Amino acid sequence: GAGVSQSPSNKVTEKGKDVELRCDPISGHTALYWYRQSLGQGLEFLIYFQGNSAPDKSGLPSDRFSAERTGGSVSTLTIQRTQQEDSAVYLCASSLLGGGSSPLHFGNGTRLTVT
Amino acid sequence: EDQVTQSPEALRLQEGESSSLNCSYTVSGLRGLFWYRQDPGKGPEFLFTLYSAGEEKEKERLKATLTKKESFLHITAPKPEDSATYLCAVQAARGHSGAGSYQLTFGKGTKLSVIP
Repeated sequence: GAGVSQSPSNKVTEKGKDVELRCDPISGHTALYWYRQSLGQGLEFLIYFQGNSAPDKSGLPSDRFSAERTGGSVSTLTIQRTQQEDSAVYLCASSLLGGGSSPLHFGNGTRLTVT
Repeated sequence: EDQVTQSPEALRLQEGESSSLNCSYTVSGLRGLFWYRQDPGKGPEFLFTLYSAGEEKEKERLKATLTKKESFLHITAPKPEDSATYLCAVQAARGHSGAGSYQLTFGKGTKLSVIP
């Protein structure tokens, strides 16, 4: 079946511009996660959505980052006024059950480069 | 704070040369330890979940084991297609500062290259 789909796969933007990253989770998966993978670093948790509950935004690095999930499905991660340190691969994952009860299935990520 | 350290950072093996990857962790109550495989330009692909010390799981040439302080990923008679970065992650029973236990803490990975 279809896996987690992310778009765009690559994004180059100028410092100070806003960007939107999109994630389509696996159909029927209730939980959705965003992680960031920087060169030479482990994956860093950003945000978690579960059903209609309030999202856990504790991993967002600054108030320039925001995310929403519409209709319990598609999610968008927005970065405002991008900085060079925002350059990384942004990974979205979904899981069948929430609360960490089932494995995460990752998309192939969006590689963001801020020039 | 939960921590995961993977070693070695990189490993080159000849085809058929068995070896092990290490994942050392500190966590305030382990709920689960996960192994993922990541190919270049792709997202991590789930391999195993281990829940308690002494548990083992196998898949083809891979076997994952767990103790109270570390996990090993044993690779038996590897093939070139096993070349990838292997990631380890832990899930705490309760995150620090009340953070959700659904958050995974990842290591930096071991890049495995299997030479024909």
